[in-house]
Amino acid sequence: GEQVEQRPPHLSVREGDSAVITCTYTDPNSYYFFWYKQEPGASLQLLMKVFSSTEINEGQGFTVLLNKKDKRLSLNLTAAHPGDSAAYFCAVSATSSGQKLVFGQGTILKVYL
Amino acid sequence: EAAVTQSPRNKVAVTGGKVTLSCNQTNNHNNMYWYRQDTGHGLRLIHYSYGAGSTEKGDIPDGYKASRPSQENFSLILELATPSQTSVYFCASGVQGGSSYEQYFGPGTRLTVL
Repeated sequence: GEQVEQRPPHLSVREGDSAVITCTYTDPNSYYFFWYKQEPGASLQLLMKVFSSTEINEGQGFTVLLNKKDKRLSLNLTAAHPGDSAAYFCAVSATSSGQKLVFGQGTILKVYL
Repeated sequence: EAAVTQSPRNKVAVTGGKVTLSCNQTNNHNNMYWYRQDTGHGLRLIHYSYGAGSTEKGDIPDGYKASRPSQENFSLILELATPSQTSVYFCASGVQGGSSYEQYFGPGTRLTVL
């Protein structure tokens, strides 16, 4: 079945700097991709979603890049601010996983002043 | 208002005791899911359901049972709780079709088994 690898597990950046979180997946038939944000002690909130190949989706200061050829999904933060400090999870939906999402292991992002 | 709610939000149980975690959703979604979240493991799927009366095993079902008596409600049952089941549990509901299969999460239940 689908496997998702997320890197890095921890990421610390200065305010105003960029940050990149990457997920790689195994099932070439994966077709829906999501990023969730989890603030400390809180639940997971859907941040962004992308469906098409090589799609760029922008919003809330983030850019999501999907490269289906390389089976790679990335979340790019162009100018981090302290409010972005949270855990981020990618999630992938694939034919092999049925009506389930396969989650990455998560990345804890800390933005310092 | 919150579309996925969980109760209790915090629970302390004793080893060998029975624990029931409840989830209610007002999204009118067919699918519901139970996950546990532990440091270093991310989210792991325990059980899920495609609709009232159905339950399916997820990736780590051992030691857990699930019940879906209605579209809105999905319960996770620990018949004999063990300390290894100490964790944060999240319920989610999900759509099928269209912009599938995004999921919407409840606030979580922190369970401690002593």
